[in-house]
Amino acid sequence: DQQVKQNSPSLSVQEGRISILNCDYTNSMFDYFLWYKKYPAEGPTFLISISSIKDKNEDGRFTVFLNKSAKHLSLHIVPSQPGDSAVYFCAARLPYSSASKIIFGSGTRLSIRP
Amino acid sequence: ETGVTQTPRHLVMGMTNKKSLKCEQHLGHNAMYWYKQSAKKPLELMFVYNFKEQTENNSVPSRFSPECPNSSHLFLHLHTLQPEDSALYLCASSQYWGLAVSRDTQYFGPGTRLTVL
Repeated sequence: DQQVKQNSPSLSVQEGRISILNCDYTNSMFDYFLWYKKYPAEGPTFLISISSIKDKNEDGRFTVFLNKSAKHLSLHIVPSQPGDSAVYFCAARLPYSSASKIIFGSGTRLSIRP
Repeated sequence: ETGVTQTPRHLVMGMTNKKSLKCEQHLGHNAMYWYKQSAKKPLELMFVYNFKEQTENNSVPSRFSPECPNSSHLFLHLHTLQPEDSALYLCASSQYWGLAVSRDTQYFGPGTRLTVL
């Protein structure tokens, strides 16, 4: 049973518009959430994170929103650029526990079309 | 060279072969990880090493044998694998084990694409 779910395997967005990637989780004990970006033939790279005590974190074009009551988080990219085309992984961490509790979603492939 | 490097990038092996994957990090981190990524599945943690000591083995079959001779190097020795072991194997490192500090994060290598025939 997946504790972190990315229900959309792919998403296509026009350049300049907003991209919204979604992630749902089931464990209310998660205290920290991360987004990673992965290009083909490369490993995932850290993008942005948010603590469970916050509901929003912004870094340039990237904003992550957390809705704890709905156990839902989303990554907003605006404006979307061609270089944003990649696979995006959502991950969640249990507090002060081993790395085995950092759980990844299955990823969403974002394609930015011109 | 900086970051996390992995060799080889691609590997094709038969079920009776023995091969090893190598990971090296140049970040001065204390924790290193092996992950397996199969198609359309989440990343699965396999092993964790903290200060060269194995701290996690996520029920990984014994045909996968990790080795961490020092905090900068991590190996994954492969022996009598099965076709279903074909996947992308990713190495990662972080400053602290389990991302104990909120600003810590894992840095991933590019991965080794393994095909078992």
